Amino acid sequence: QVQLQESGPGLVKPSETLSLTCAVSGYSISSGYYWGWIRQPPGKGPEWIGSIYHSGSTYDNPSLKSRVTISVDTSYNQFSLNLRSVTAADTAVYYCARQPGGLHRPFDYWGQGTLVTVSS
Amino acid sequence: QSALTQPASVSGSPGQSITISCTGTSSDVGSYNYVSWYQQHPGKAPKLMIYDVSQRPSGVSNRFSGSKSGNTASLTISGLQAEDEADYYCSSYTTSTTWVFGGGTKLTVL
Repeated sequence: QVQLQESGPGLVKPSETLSLTCAVSGYSISSGYYWGWIRQPPGKGPEWIGSIYHSGSTYDNPSLKSRVTISVDTSYNQFSLNLRSVTAADTAVYYCARQPGGLHRPFDYWGQGTLVTVSS
Repeated sequence: QSALTQPASVSGSPGQSITISCTGTSSDVGSYNYVSWYQQHPGKAPKLMIYDVSQRPSGVSNRFSGSKSGNTASLTISGLQAEDEADYYCSSYTTSTTWVFGGGTKLTVL
């Protein structure tokens, strides 16, 4: 059974960098597929942040104004998200998810999500 | 990229059918058959219910069905059950190689 688990600080100060990691079990990232990050502000709909292929190719949401870096570590079977220069508007539950196939494939397995609050 | 438009809420009685609409543009819903629907219960992660407009993942009840016409996609739930009460989100792949989600629809089973 494929499982994803997000980890990282639950509180980040304004202007700093939000860093999260998604550990994958039950499937080897190096076997293929895209792996994505999605966030959901409290009471709102999800927002796609970006996705990475197992080879390291990335796509991200232009609305985040190039603040996003997504990387993959096949040795540890995990991928990571860095979001720079955060503000209160970046407060959200952050999810990692799998896309079986190309970037156009849906998100079929999700992590449980982790709440990140941006506050001083 | 603007979010897809969904009604804020819908309701129905057990056994009835409901339909949730999802309106996008010619750059997303209207361009590809890559529309997905997710169910989310409070405090839980979204669950994929429909993909590629009308395909159901293994294990999803056949009471859930999807369709699309032009720039609008729809999710229909037939034979409503209490456990269907949740938030539902549509999403679409776009011509800009991005994903866009809807604002969500709260389904209440009366």
